[in-house]
Order: sequence, then C-alpha cells, then structure tokens
Amino acid sequence: QQQVKQSPQSLIVQKGGISIINCAYENTAFDYFPWYQQFPGKGPALLIAIRPDVSEKKEGRFTISFNKSAKQFSLHIMDSQPGDSATYFCAASRFYLGSNYKLTFGKGTLLTVNP
Amino acid sequence: ETGVTQSPTHLIKTRGQQVTLRCSSQSGHNTVSWYQQALGQGPQFIFQYYREEENGRGNFPPRFSGLQFPNYSSELNVNALELDDSALYLCASGVGLAGLEQYFGPGTRLTVT
Repeated sequence: QQQVKQSPQSLIVQKGGISIINCAYENTAFDYFPWYQQFPGKGPALLIAIRPDVSEKKEGRFTISFNKSAKQFSLHIMDSQPGDSATYFCAASRFYLGSNYKLTFGKGTLLTVNP
Repeated sequence: ETGVTQSPTHLIKTRGQQVTLRCSSQSGHNTVSWYQQALGQGPQFIFQYYREEENGRGNFPPRFSGLQFPNYSSELNVNALELDDSALYLCASGVGLAGLEQYFGPGTRLTVT
C-alpha cells in the first residue's frame, strides 16, 4: 500500500518557468510534510517542509501548498533554473511524543530544467 | 553539507555474506534513522535509533540490525545478503524525538552479486 503518491514521474521545464510537483497522502494522522531534493550520487537534502496548520509556506523560489481536506500538497518552484535539475521527493510523517517519526516517501519526480 | 558522513561509499558483496555500513552524525544529533533506496525509488524506512535503543522499525526482516553509539556514530548490519538488498543505504540524523527535521548522509551504494 503506497501511502504517499507523487506525480508526475518526470517533468521538463524551460528555464524561468514554474515547476509543479504534486503529492497525495492517505493517512490522516500524518502531520509533517517535507520535500527533499536529491542530486545523482548524493543523499536527499531537506528543501522545505510544512505542518498541516498552515496552507502555504514559501522559502525563496520554493513554495509548498497544502490542502488538508483533499489530503494533497504540492511543491512549486518559481523561476526554475538548470541547477534545479534533480529528483524531488515528497514525504510525510506522523509524530507523537515518545514514538518514532519515520518518513514515508513518494517515488520521486525527475525534474529537468532546460536552459 | 549536512554534517552526516557514511562509509564506505561503495561496496560489492556476494549473496549470503554479511555487511556493516557506518554512519557518523553531527554532534548533538541523538536520533539516527536508516533508509534503503532502491534504484528509481524513494527511500524506505528500515529503523530508527534514539539514545542507543531501537525506537521503531519498518517492514524489514530481522537480518537487518543496527547499533548506535554514544559518540553519535551508528552501524547498519545486514546478514545473509540477498540480491534484492542491492540499493543505496542512507542514514539520517536528527535531534531528539521532538525534532522533525532529518538530515541525510550521502549514502553507501551496496551491490550484491
């Protein structure tokens, strides 16, 4: 059972364009939603994260939009640059004090930004 | 850089052998989690250690085991290696059970032949 579904699998965007990656989750107990960026041969790097008490969070060119009722969240990359070309993973976790907070990842989106 | 290091970078083992992978976290990061990332997939949670005790486990068999040491280092041990164990193994460290952010190391690429 895939608890976090990510789309699209791959995405090609022109430099300066907007990249949009979507994720949907099933477990309503999830309460932390990070996005990770991974370059070939590297580990995932935390990009931006959101808790369900807000509907949007922006950090520089990266924005997370969160829709709790639809159980969906998305990553928007504004003014996409060739250096943004990487694989992006959404993830979700459920946390309560005294327990573990394992990250459940989507399958990833390979973003290519053409110059 | 996350301050999380892993060794070795690459490793080739034969089916049935045992392997130990190592991770060194940032000072003060007393939570470490291990993930398996198959080619073209997202990382999958193996287990987490907090203050040197296992604090949660994913759907991995007991031949996957771990240790966490007081000096913020940890190990992942895999016995009786199978071909499907070929993957990138990632460790991620964090601060305490209240710290949600996890910082990943570069991973160890394990190939089982």
